[in-house]
Parts: sequence; structure tokens; C-alpha cells
Amino acid sequence: EPEVTQTPSHQVTQMGQEVILRCVPISNHLYFYWYRQILGQKVEFLVSFYNNEISEKSEIFDDQFSVERPDGSNFTLKIRSTKLEDSAMYFCASRLVSYEQYFGPGTRLTVT
Amino acid sequence: QKEVEQNSGPLSVPEGAIASLNCTYSDRGSQSFFWYRQYSGKSPELIMSIYSNGDKEDGRFTAQLNKASQYVSLLIRDSQPSDSATYLCAVNLGDAGNMLTFGGGTRLMVKP
Repeated sequence: EPEVTQTPSHQVTQMGQEVILRCVPISNHLYFYWYRQILGQKVEFLVSFYNNEISEKSEIFDDQFSVERPDGSNFTLKIRSTKLEDSAMYFCASRLVSYEQYFGPGTRLTVT
Repeated sequence: QKEVEQNSGPLSVPEGAIASLNCTYSDRGSQSFFWYRQYSGKSPELIMSIYSNGDKEDGRFTAQLNKASQYVSLLIRDSQPSDSATYLCAVNLGDAGNMLTFGGGTRLMVKP
């Protein structure tokens, strides 16, 4: 069964460093998402992406964040200058035409 | 402010019993409703979607939607210890980005 994959599973970085989180959505899916979940808190929407552009973003998704689909398979989230409060699980999700979103296994980002 | 509320639990049920999980949402424009299961340290796994008022059954799971009361529920019949997890209610408005707004989740414990 096709699934969303994410790399790395765990990323440790120092405050102020740039990180890139990578996702490979399900191959025929058209809509792509990033969410995050701080330990013990709700899953929060960051950004949605369709047809090579951002379709919606949350207040969390400020100028420090960017997304890109550099080729036909990868979908990336970049954080330019990480802060301690960026430490969280980051989930990529994708969907086809129906509204059902399928989540990848996540990347645990630890900012020290 | 779009809110999705769930009782955090834990909800404890004996093996073989019916577990009933509830969710309320604030935005009357919400169009799509989802239940995800999240095991500790793992990503959300889609188990049910529901789009219209009434019941929808899939195996041991039944989702119920009442848009007038802004209420969604999930029933798990013949609960098994492997059902022990946090169940997340997620809602979207059906707008351009189709972002999901998640509740905080209800932790279910099924005791053998």
C-alpha cells in the first residue's frame, strides 16, 4: 500500500541553523501539507501546497519557513533560522481529490 | 477562532466493550470530519471519514455526525487492547487549502 515517507526520522540542530525536512508524498496525490505537533499538544496546521504554490498557511508559517517541490516526488519544508520553540514532530501529509489526508511517520526536530 | 474540542481522558473500557469518543466543533461551515488514531510517538493514522449527517460504519468502527449540534462521535465495538491509543478528531471547512483543525485527542485505554 502506498504511503508517505519522511526523512530524516530525527534531526538535531543548533539554534539559528537552517534545517530541511523532506517528504515523499503518495505518488499520484495532488495536495500536500505540513503539520507540526509540539510534545503533549495538538497537531497544528502549517501550510498546504497545490499546483506548485502555497494555497493556505497558518500564522505559525512565518518568513522563517518555506516549502518547495523541487521535483516530481519530493516536498520539503525549510526552516531558515531555527528557534528552541521549533522543537516538535513535523508531519507531512498528502491527498488526492477526496479530502482524506494521509500522514507520513514524521520527523522529530530537536533544537538545542 | 475555529475550535475542535475533545475530552482528553483517559477513557478506560474493558476488552470487548464499546468505546464511545466524542468531539464538538465550533465552525458551522465545517464540511468534512475525520477520526485519526495516534499511538504514542507515532503519526496520525486515518481510520474514518464522514461528510453527511448520520452514521457511517466500517468494521468495528462507527462514526456519527450531527451538524445541527456540531457534534461528531466514534464508536469502537468489541474494543481490543490494541485499540489503546489517542483518538484525534479533525475537521476541515472545505476551503481552498482544506487544512485540518485537530482536537487535542482522547486517550483510550482498553484493559484485558
